[in-house]
Amino acid sequence: GQNIDQPTEMTATEGAIVQINCTYQTSGFNGLFWYQQHAGEAPTFLSYNVLDGLEEKGRFSSFLSRSKGYSYLLLKELQMKDSASYLCAVKDSNYQLIWGAGTKLIIKP
Amino acid sequence: DGGITQSPKYLFRKEGQNVTLSCEQNLNHDAMYWYRQDPGQGLRLIYYSQIVNDFQKGDIAEGYSVSREKKESFPLTVTSAQKNPTAFYLCASSIDPSGSYEQYFGPGTRLTVT
Repeated sequence: GQNIDQPTEMTATEGAIVQINCTYQTSGFNGLFWYQQHAGEAPTFLSYNVLDGLEEKGRFSSFLSRSKGYSYLLLKELQMKDSASYLCAVKDSNYQLIWGAGTKLIIKP
Repeated sequence: DGGITQSPKYLFRKEGQNVTLSCEQNLNHDAMYWYRQDPGQGLRLIYYSQIVNDFQKGDIAEGYSVSREKKESFPLTVTSAQKNPTAFYLCASSIDPSGSYEQYFGPGTRLTVT
């Protein structure tokens, strides 16, 4: 079966750095997406990785290792507005998105 | 402003009634998708359409139906055959049906069936 694993919940302090991990087992791989979703709202696109390595975009970075079936999202200089769920999704060999259940990130002052 | 609209934001229905959720996009995207989101679970694909007048079943299509008569519109009907319809429904679109680009999501419709 196809599977995406993420921690259910994480807590971090304002101004700190947090790393959210995602491991996947899918039939084929055609890219990995990270989305942010505030409670009751629509997911919004954060990053896309298709090759191994680190993609940096402002305070957010995303890393991919295809050989390990592993990705992480790194959030720096955390702000209260970063409190949200972070969804990892992998595009499989049929170009269908397989979604993780999401990681709820709680930021404390 | 380009984007995806879904209406209404909240919808209440009695068991046994069909209900249609609307989804409109003005992004000129070819591909459109319907997802269902339940607490503690990842998004699950209900139906998707890569081009007008064509659509495909996703992982959980039973009890749902769609149409794609116009590029801009992809309404979802939740029928009385859907065993557990109460959920948060999200519509999305993408410029490229092959899936190499991100999906843009509408604000969602929270459906409650009692």
